[in-house]
Amino acid sequence: QQQVKQSPQSLIVQKGGISIINCAYENTAFDYFPWYQQFPGKGPALLIAIRPDVSEKKEGRFTISFNKSAKQFSLHIMDSQPGDSATYFCAGKAAGNKLTFGGGTRVLVKP
Amino acid sequence: EAQVTQNPRYLITVTGKKLTVTCSQNMNHEYMSWYRQDPGLGLRQIYYSMNVEVTDKGDVPEGYKVSRKEKRNFPLILESPSPNQTSLYFCASSLLRQGNEQFFGPGTRLTVL
Repeated sequence: QQQVKQSPQSLIVQKGGISIINCAYENTAFDYFPWYQQFPGKGPALLIAIRPDVSEKKEGRFTISFNKSAKQFSLHIMDSQPGDSATYFCAGKAAGNKLTFGGGTRVLVKP
Repeated sequence: EAQVTQNPRYLITVTGKKLTVTCSQNMNHEYMSWYRQDPGLGLRQIYYSMNVEVTDKGDVPEGYKVSRKEKRNFPLILESPSPNQTSLYFCASSLLRQGNEQFFGPGTRLTVL
């Protein structure tokens, strides 16, 4: 079973628009929620992360919103740029550094 | 340069022919892990290691073996590969401190015919 459900699977947005990716988790033992960005032919790289005691974290154009009671979190990419075109993965981390990933969202930003 | 390296990057093999994918990190990380990436399923953990000589199963360990004889290396072994192991494989490493970033290698694309 997939403990982290991610939607949508793919997303097309115009340059300057907002990209929103949603994730829902089941495991209440998760204590850290990272988002990874992956470009074609590369390994995933940490983009931004949040802890469950914080409701929002912003780094530049990227914002995580976290709703602990609903067990949901989302990534917002403001002013989307063609260089943001990539696959994005949400994840939850439990004890022992184990990451459980969502299924991924392929984002295409059209110029 | 701090990095995780994997070799080979691409591999085409046949069913039953043993193979090893190497993984090495130069960041003195205690934690290392192998994932496979399949469309729509994200990355799923195969095996992980908390330190030298300490390994444990992840979510999809069947058909794989690992070893951790040195801190920097964590090879993935497929004793008898099958077509359902055709996938994109990633090695990752991190410190063990809470919340530490996992660094991923560039990936190995494996095709088993």
